[in-house]
Amino acid sequence: ETGVTQTPRHLVMGMTNKKSLKCEQHLGHNAMYWYKQSAKKPLELMFVYNFKEQTENNSVPSRFSPECPNSSHLFLHLHTLQPEDSALYLCASSQEGKGYYGYTFGSGTRLTVV
Amino acid sequence: AQKITQTQPGMFVQEKEAVTLDCTYDTSDQSYGLFWYKQPSSGEMIFLIYQGSYDEQNATEGRYSLNFQKARKSANLVISASQLGDSAMYFCAMREHGSSNTGKLIFGQGTTLQVKP
Repeated sequence: ETGVTQTPRHLVMGMTNKKSLKCEQHLGHNAMYWYKQSAKKPLELMFVYNFKEQTENNSVPSRFSPECPNSSHLFLHLHTLQPEDSALYLCASSQEGKGYYGYTFGSGTRLTVV
Repeated sequence: AQKITQTQPGMFVQEKEAVTLDCTYDTSDQSYGLFWYKQPSSGEMIFLIYQGSYDEQNATEGRYSLNFQKARKSANLVISASQLGDSAMYFCAMREHGSSNTGKLIFGQGTTLQVKP
């Protein structure tokens, strides 16, 4: 596989459930990101991992918990979510420190909290 | 703080015509990059074109060109010869290249483009 792969593509969960979103990149990049895209809002940067270290947490509620075990994998653990957390969650990766700072995005996980 | 503004929520264009999508930005950094992405209904963000702040020539990629006016802080996307498959949401994005800004790609609100047959 190539590019950035996100699973699952769709997820419906109750407010008391615990679930995880997975992102995997096959590009050899050293930085990975989680973005949230709600209806009629710009994409919001949630978390940044650079060389597996979290370098940015954009005031995200603690019910979202990221994990980056290595530079190719990124998870977003979800628990006790609210209906307003329903959104498209996009993962991206980039190669930092080499001039061109292009980002490659996955297809996203469309999350519905009921 | 960096900021991206797209003032056109929706645009229509006739097939085979050209269309310009507006984007203005605000930054105090001298070194930054500007991006345009396309998002079809499937949700994937597809990279279209990149312009570095020090690039003297406007970027072009096939039917896409970026009209970069640095003094006005604008980075408009021009799509020539529109096709039905160009119907999608288009996002302008920017990141500053300072060492404290690793990974901060910030997006505008997006413009929905519909191409009419």
